[in-house]
Amino acid sequence: GIQVEQSPPDLILQEGANSTLRCNFSDSVNNLQWFHQNPWGQLINLFYIPSGTKQNGRLSATTVATERYSLLYISSSQTTDSGVYFCAGESGSARQLTFGSGTQLTVLP
Amino acid sequence: KAGVTQTPRYLIKTRGQQVTLSCSPISGHRSVSWYQQTPGQGLQFLFEYFSETQRNKGNFPGRFSGRQFSNSRSEMNVSTLELGDSALYLCASSYALGGETQYFGPGTRLLVL
Repeated sequence: GIQVEQSPPDLILQEGANSTLRCNFSDSVNNLQWFHQNPWGQLINLFYIPSGTKQNGRLSATTVATERYSLLYISSSQTTDSGVYFCAGESGSARQLTFGSGTQLTVLP
Repeated sequence: KAGVTQTPRYLIKTRGQQVTLSCSPISGHRSVSWYQQTPGQGLQFLFEYFSETQRNKGNFPGRFSGRQFSNSRSEMNVSTLELGDSALYLCASSYALGGETQYFGPGTRLLVL
């Protein structure tokens, strides 16, 4: 199966700062998604982004499918952005999301 | 539209027991997938059901099983529980198979003592 590598594993920011999270895939992927896991464990959909760029408020994401990576940008961080961010994708005909190990983001007031 | 619901939210069992977890997908969604999350292994795919048929299975022992009903609700069962089965179990739903967003429920946190 594919390997999904996320970086950095941990990120500590001051409120108001910007950040970039990266996701690398070992093979081409379909159905690439970014999630934020809240403190209670639920995975909240951020983006479905198999290719291109999307924006939603202070968050945006870019996937360069040909180079097998995706980036999540968080601008003007808020304390409520804290949590774990996961990227995940499907490869080939396998209908299963393979997740990265996540980026633990802490935004300090 | 209501989101994915999972019951129960928390569960404590002892080794050797069995457990059944339930997942109700978003209305109209026909695909349900199950994932296990542990601190050591991260998020891992268990299986996917579509139209009451298991379409895909992850690398888990046969103690882990599931089923889907005609209303798309799904259950997963773990028999002969082991300490290592302690985890957050997440289910996700989507409208069809392949190439679209999966929406996750709040999860069931299972503790095996």
